[in-house]
Amino acid sequence: DIQMTQSPSSVSASVGDRVTITCRASQDISGWLAWYQQKPGKAPKVLIYATSSLQSGVPSRFSGSGSGTDFTLTISSLQPEDFATYYCQQAQSFPLTFGGGTKVEIK
Amino acid sequence: QVQLQESGPGLVKPSETLSLTCTVSDGSINNQYWSWIRQSPGKGLEWIGYVYDSGTTNYNPSLKSRVTMSEDTSKNQFSLKLSSVTAADTAVYYCARYRRGTGWYYFDYWGQGSPVTVST
Repeated sequence: DIQMTQSPSSVSASVGDRVTITCRASQDISGWLAWYQQKPGKAPKVLIYATSSLQSGVPSRFSGSGSGTDFTLTISSLQPEDFATYYCQQAQSFPLTFGGGTKVEIK
Repeated sequence: QVQLQESGPGLVKPSETLSLTCTVSDGSINNQYWSWIRQSPGKGLEWIGYVYDSGTTNYNPSLKSRVTMSEDTSKNQFSLKLSSVTAADTAVYYCARYRRGTGWYYFDYWGQGSPVTVST
C-alpha cells in the first residue's frame, strides 16, 4: 500500500494568512493526488484533483502543486469558512489511501 | 446534481454482518464507480472498495475477506456487507462516487455518512 503522510497535523492561522499543507507519498504517485476539505459532522468535499486541477465551484484561493512523492495544498488568503480538516488521497494504485489529515484552526 | 444517502442499522453486534445501502438520486448508477469509505478516530479515512457495472468489484485487501458490494440498478442503489464485525469496525461509513477517467481520479459526490457502532 502507498502510505500518505501529511504535515503538519494541525496549524493555527488567522484570517488572511497564507497556509501551506504538505503531503508526502511513500512512492511516486505520478501526480494522481486529490485534496479534500472536511468540516465537523460533514462528509469530505473535493477541492483539487490530479495535483492541481480545481474542482468546479471551489474558490481560486485554493491551489495544489507537486510531483513524484511531494505535494502541497495552498490557501492563499484564509477565510473564516476555511477552518476545517484537510486530507490528501492518492489515486495511483489500489488500495486508494488517504493522509492522516491537517486541522486548520483559528489562531 | 447527484445525491447519495446511506441507510442501515446504527448498531451491529460483534460477529454479525454490517449491511448498508446507498441510494443515488438525480443520476443513474450505471457505468459509474461506487465506493464505500469509512472513518474512525483510530484509522482516519479508509477506502473499503468499489463496485462498477453491477459486477466488477475491487476491495481493499485489508478487508477483502469480509466485504461484499453489489448494485441494484432497478432501485438505483448499491450496498455494502461487512461480515464478522468487531469493535474495530465501528466508524462512520460513507458512500461516494469515484470519478474515474482520463485525467481524473477522485471522489466527487459523497453521502452524509452513516455512523455504525459494533457493540453488544
